[in-house]
Amino acid sequence: LAKTTQPISMDSYEGQEVNITCSHNNIATNDYITWYQQFPSQGPRFIIQGYKTKVTNEVASLFIPADRKSSTLSLPRVSLSDTAVYYCLVGDISKTDSSYKLIFGSGTRLLVRP
Amino acid sequence: DGGITQSPKYLFRKEGQNVTLSCEQNLNHDAMYWYRQDPGQGLRLIYYSQIVNDFQKGDIAEGYSVSREKKESFPLTVTSAQKNPTAFYLCASSNTPQETQYFGPGTRLLVL
Repeated sequence: LAKTTQPISMDSYEGQEVNITCSHNNIATNDYITWYQQFPSQGPRFIIQGYKTKVTNEVASLFIPADRKSSTLSLPRVSLSDTAVYYCLVGDISKTDSSYKLIFGSGTRLLVRP
Repeated sequence: DGGITQSPKYLFRKEGQNVTLSCEQNLNHDAMYWYRQDPGQGLRLIYYSQIVNDFQKGDIAEGYSVSREKKESFPLTVTSAQKNPTAFYLCASSNTPQETQYFGPGTRLLVL
């Protein structure tokens, strides 16, 4: 079963850059890597997605090494409102019916302090 | 105004009662999903549907049932067989199973 491993929690201070690394050793050749952010009692919100090298949008950057067995979400200059749980996802293909689904790990709880 | 809606926001279930959670999307997505989230935990997949009139069990399907009669709707029924239904339920949809999932606001189910 394809799965991801992330740190359970991280602490940071306002204005700092935060890097959250995710391990996905069994990622399939055609899988993308997707990151979501979730605030309490809300649905997860898409942050960024990538396949290889580096992807950047207005919110974050995603770094993926050549072997694609890990990825790093980078949040520049975090603020208090970035306190949330961050999930890294890769896909999995069912052995019974070959259907495809994304796998949510346990996520990383980021706490940003003043 | 496109997106995914879930109703109700809060739902109370009595012992032995079946309840149905609504999920509607107007994004014209083929795939839809139901997840369960317990306090302090990640999301666990209950059921998913990659196309109308077809759905598959996820990791924790016991005690739940779904239907996909219309592309835009994917209701989840929590049956009396689900002995611990108290949780936050999230619905999502994506254009294809490999693409980004977009989530609704969630329904919190509580047992009286």
